[in-house]
Amino acid sequence: DSGVTQTPKHLITATGQRVTLRCSPRSGDLSVYWYQQSLDQGLQFLIQYYNGEERAKGNILERFSAQQFPDLHSELNLSSLELGDSALYFCASSVRPRRANEQFFGPGTRLTVL
Amino acid sequence: DQQVKQNSPSLSVQEGRISILNCDYTNSMFDYFLWYKKYPAEGPTFLISISSIKDKNEDGRFTVFLNKSAKHLSLHIVPSQPGDSAVYFCAASWGQGGSEKLVFGKGTKLTVNP
Repeated sequence: DSGVTQTPKHLITATGQRVTLRCSPRSGDLSVYWYQQSLDQGLQFLIQYYNGEERAKGNILERFSAQQFPDLHSELNLSSLELGDSALYFCASSVRPRRANEQFFGPGTRLTVL
Repeated sequence: DQQVKQNSPSLSVQEGRISILNCDYTNSMFDYFLWYKKYPAEGPTFLISISSIKDKNEDGRFTVFLNKSAKHLSLHIVPSQPGDSAVYFCAASWGQGGSEKLVFGKGTKLTVNP
C-alpha cells in the first residue's frame, strides 16, 4: 500500500459524458501527478500540482482539467468523453516537486467509455 | 515520437539467472532515469534510479547501467526470482523551476520461471 488513494476504482460511462477522478496523496506529500495508461501509449504524464499550484503539463487534452485543493487532494476532470479516453488513470504523490524517485503511485482508476 | 523506448515487450528467464531489461532514449535533456515495477491491479512502484552524471547504481539484486553516449540504460536483476515477475517500466525525468516531467517507456513484461 503506497498510501495514495484513488476513487473510484472503476468507472463505466458513455461517450460525451463528464467524469471526475479523485486522488488523496500520502500524508505530508505536497506534489500530485496524474498519468494516463492506455493500451497503445503506455504511461503518459498528464499534469503536476504542487501545494495547489500547477507546475508542469504533459500530454493533457483540453477536454481534461485538474486541480489541487487546500487539503491537497486532487481531482482530474474529463469531459466530452470519447472511446479513446478509456484507460487507467494513475495519481502519484511526492513530498517535493522534483524527486521522481520519491513518487508513490496509487492503484489507479480504470475508466471505460462505451 | 517516443522519447523513451523499451523494444522488448516481454522477457522470460529461469529462476537464478540474470534478467537484463533494456531502454533507449532520445532526449539529451533527461537528467535522471528510473525503473518502476508494476504488478497487475496496482500502481507502479519505484525500483531504482540513476543520475545522468553516473554510469552505474546498485541496490541489492538490482543494478542500473547508463551509457550516455549511446543514450541507453539497462536494468540487471541477479539472481532473478519468481517474485520479480512483473511489468518493468523505464522512465526518464527532466524539469526545472520545481516542475518535473516523467516520460515512460511502454514496459517490458518479465516472467521468471521456477
